Amino acid sequence: KQEVTQIPAALSVPEGENLVLNCSFTDSAIYNLQWFRQDPGKGLTSLLLIQSSQREQTSGRLNASLDKSSGRSTLYIAASQPGDSATYLCAATRRGGSEKLVFGKGTKLTVNP
Amino acid sequence: NAGVMQNPRHLVRRRGQEARLRCSPMKGHSHVYWYRQLPEEGLKFMVYLQKENIIDESGMPKERFSAEFPKEGPSILRIQQVVRGDSAAYFCASSPRQETQYFGPGTRLLVL
Repeated sequence: KQEVTQIPAALSVPEGENLVLNCSFTDSAIYNLQWFRQDPGKGLTSLLLIQSSQREQTSGRLNASLDKSSGRSTLYIAASQPGDSATYLCAATRRGGSEKLVFGKGTKLTVNP
Repeated sequence: NAGVMQNPRHLVRRRGQEARLRCSPMKGHSHVYWYRQLPEEGLKFMVYLQKENIIDESGMPKERFSAEFPKEGPSILRIQQVVRGDSAAYFCASSPRQETQYFGPGTRLLVL
């Protein structure tokens, strides 16, 4: 059974700082790993998707990496801004599974101006 | 191309009533997923459907909950005889095929 863990549960940083959010998963037979952003009271916005054959994906100031052997993914945010404040969720799908996403509980990020 | 649409956005029901949540996937997407987010909890998978078929309902409670995705029209998540523990945000997602899942804004159900 896949379990996804995100550490830390909450993070507060000053504006401009580079930061890393961590995600670990127990079953390395993943099909892909996806990072989302959730704003309070809102839905989820997909940020990056990494296929199991890939090591990383980049979009603007965001870079996500995947290491299946260690069961870890990281989301790197460069030059953080107050608008980056949100909860960041990672989720994995299992190879050969039904494509359902298994989510971590998220990291609540606050970027202070 | 409109995103995933869910309605209603907010739903209030009294214990014992029925709740119907609707989800219209993005155009061209034939895969629909429902997830539930309980207060202070992560999102949990409930059910995965393709047109007219339930593919995986392993996350769905055995009683009172049902889902459908008819050939025409939106996907429906139905909760019969709601209880307070059903209060949560229910999210629908769609995808074309084993790719990025696109989420709707969610329906927030409150059971009084």
